[in-house]
Amino acid sequence: DSGVTQTPKHLITATGQRVTLRCSPRSGDLSVYWYQQSLDQGLQFLIQYYNGEERAKGNILERFSAQQFPDLHSELNLSSLELGDSALYFCASSEAGWGPNTGELFFGEGSRLTVL
Amino acid sequence: TQLLEQSPQFLSIQEGENLTVYCNSSSVFSSLQWYRQEPGEGPVLLVTVVTGGEVKKLKRLTFQFGDARKDSSLHITAAQPGDTGLYLCAGTDSWGKLQFGAGTQVVVTP
Repeated sequence: DSGVTQTPKHLITATGQRVTLRCSPRSGDLSVYWYQQSLDQGLQFLIQYYNGEERAKGNILERFSAQQFPDLHSELNLSSLELGDSALYFCASSEAGWGPNTGELFFGEGSRLTVL
Repeated sequence: TQLLEQSPQFLSIQEGENLTVYCNSSSVFSSLQWYRQEPGEGPVLLVTVVTGGEVKKLKRLTFQFGDARKDSSLHITAAQPGDTGLYLCAGTDSWGKLQFGAGTQVVVTP
């Protein structure tokens, strides 16, 4: 058990819909990261928050948005869903916030999104 | 395009054999991490290498960081079925983002 909790574990929805994925980081970790994992793209970095502020942005689509709340949990919002958005979405947390050595990332078990 | 290129993409071996997976980049990394991911779970950190030329051993796993800090390898001796998984290397790029390679899927059959 990594200490990172993600909900829901599975989600099936239709194209055009909007979903919200939730993540609770490990106790004491201030950084939250979101990654998308698909068979053809591997693990793609989407966005990082540190103590409520956006710290780094990766290949995140404009249809996607995220935020980190004062209690440090984070939500990833995916809207106008397309078939290609079907993937595993991982949340990870770490103590570190920035710099060349990120430190260990602790991953949740992921949320599997299927868009039909 | 992947910042980190991993090879091979897939490796299937018999229990007791040795294997090596590679992680290469044209960029220099201040540190590089190796993770293992099993089905239905998130990646779990195996090791972090920091110094060029560094070699770290974790039981039957040996990790090496290239002298120029652009590449790394993972060698498993006498592989066991429990070593089956997706092995991912990850490095922090110049913008501070931790980027992952596409991974090497290792299958060890009894």
